[in-house]
Amino acid sequence: GQQVMQIPQYQHVQEGEDFTTYCNSSTTLSNIQWYKQRPGGHPVFLIQLVKSGEVKKQKRLTFQFGEAKKNSSLHITATQTTDVGTYFCAVEYGNKLVFGAGTILRVKS
Amino acid sequence: DTAVSQTPKYLVTQMGNDKSIKCEQNLGHDTMYWYKQDSKKFLKIMFSYNNKELIINETVPNRFSPKSPDKAHLNLHINSLELGDSAVYFCASSRRLYGYTFGSGTRLTVV
Repeated sequence: GQQVMQIPQYQHVQEGEDFTTYCNSSTTLSNIQWYKQRPGGHPVFLIQLVKSGEVKKQKRLTFQFGEAKKNSSLHITATQTTDVGTYFCAVEYGNKLVFGAGTILRVKS
Repeated sequence: DTAVSQTPKYLVTQMGNDKSIKCEQNLGHDTMYWYKQDSKKFLKIMFSYNNKELIINETVPNRFSPKSPDKAHLNLHINSLELGDSAVYFCASSRRLYGYTFGSGTRLTVV
């Protein structure tokens, strides 16, 4: 079906620790997008991955798209309190963007 | 300067009432959407319009009726509100092959 599985549901880390969230699909994806939603805020587009095995970096954030284009990950190095929020992966199926369930990140200072 | 703006930000209303949420985008995007986010943060698409034409209508009760007077506006009217309609509703817009831009959301509480 049109869904992408995202884990973990929650992650609570100490400031300075790393964080990773994963998305998996049973079907090959044409592309995958990542969004961040701060508490009380709205989803904000971070990046789109299109190519097999693609790796992109945005400062402390590293995004990967699997070789088979069935999975993706977002890794944050040395988390900061400003990283708190919910991170969503999302996949376009036809004309609609279907979101994973999201990973809620909490950072203890 | 706001790219996608929706009003109101908060809406508290009684069961059975009818309410509308308005959305406008100034990005020149052709496609606009309504998403519903429940209390568990799950984001689900409701409707999609492309150049004023409805292209996606997920399994949403027909108490929900979107209207797009032009490609920059997409409004959502909800009839006979129910407790289960309480959620945050997000408007979004996009152009092909780019990420979506979301509005700040409307938190609807039905009492």
